Amino acid sequence: QKEVEQNSGPLSVPEGAIASLNCTYSDRGSQSFFWYRQYSGKSPELIMSIYSNGDKEDGRFTAQLNKASQYVSLLIRDSQPSDSATYLCAVLLLYNFNKFYFGSGTKLNVKP
Amino acid sequence: DVKVTQSSRYLVKRTGEKVFLECVQDMDHENMFWYRQDPGLGLRLIYFSYDVKMKEKGDIPEGYSVSREKKERFSLILESASTNQTSMYLCASSGQGDTGELFFGEGSRLTVL
Repeated sequence: QKEVEQNSGPLSVPEGAIASLNCTYSDRGSQSFFWYRQYSGKSPELIMSIYSNGDKEDGRFTAQLNKASQYVSLLIRDSQPSDSATYLCAVLLLYNFNKFYFGSGTKLNVKP
Repeated sequence: DVKVTQSSRYLVKRTGEKVFLECVQDMDHENMFWYRQDPGLGLRLIYFSYDVKMKEKGDIPEGYSVSREKKERFSLILESASTNQTSMYLCASSGQGDTGELFFGEGSRLTVL
């Protein structure tokens, strides 16, 4: 079983819609959770971090964490074509040398 | 802003050559990482280091070695490059603690002929 699982997509949404990206993780010792966006040919860039159960909002982005269900999600409101990218979910295991585990990413296409 | 700099964006090497990929970060981060990224396989951890001269194997260390002689610099070495090491290589760094986000360099695309 992989440490972090994501649906590879592609997920297609029309411009202006809400895009919902999901991620599950296997290690209950995971303590911090991150969403990275990666454009084709570029390196990942951090867009959201979340450390406790509940929702965290930053502009059009909302991260949601449910540690009991081992589930983290990212909502993108008012999706724009410029949001088209691959979104990587990552978890941090502090007890394991601050090691990060990444999902394989979900490709998002926002259609004009 | 955190800056992670990788020395080469694009490299072309021949099978059997020794390859050095250099990475420097300017935020005094304790942790540094080398990943490779391949289509369909995602990011895979090769090696990481949590202190000067300390290193730990990641998920795919075979065929690679690393060096961390100074806190800001983490080098990835391919002792004898092979065609299956053609990939995008990403260096990253993070600080200590549970808010230690991972910051990436721009990547080095290596082609081994």
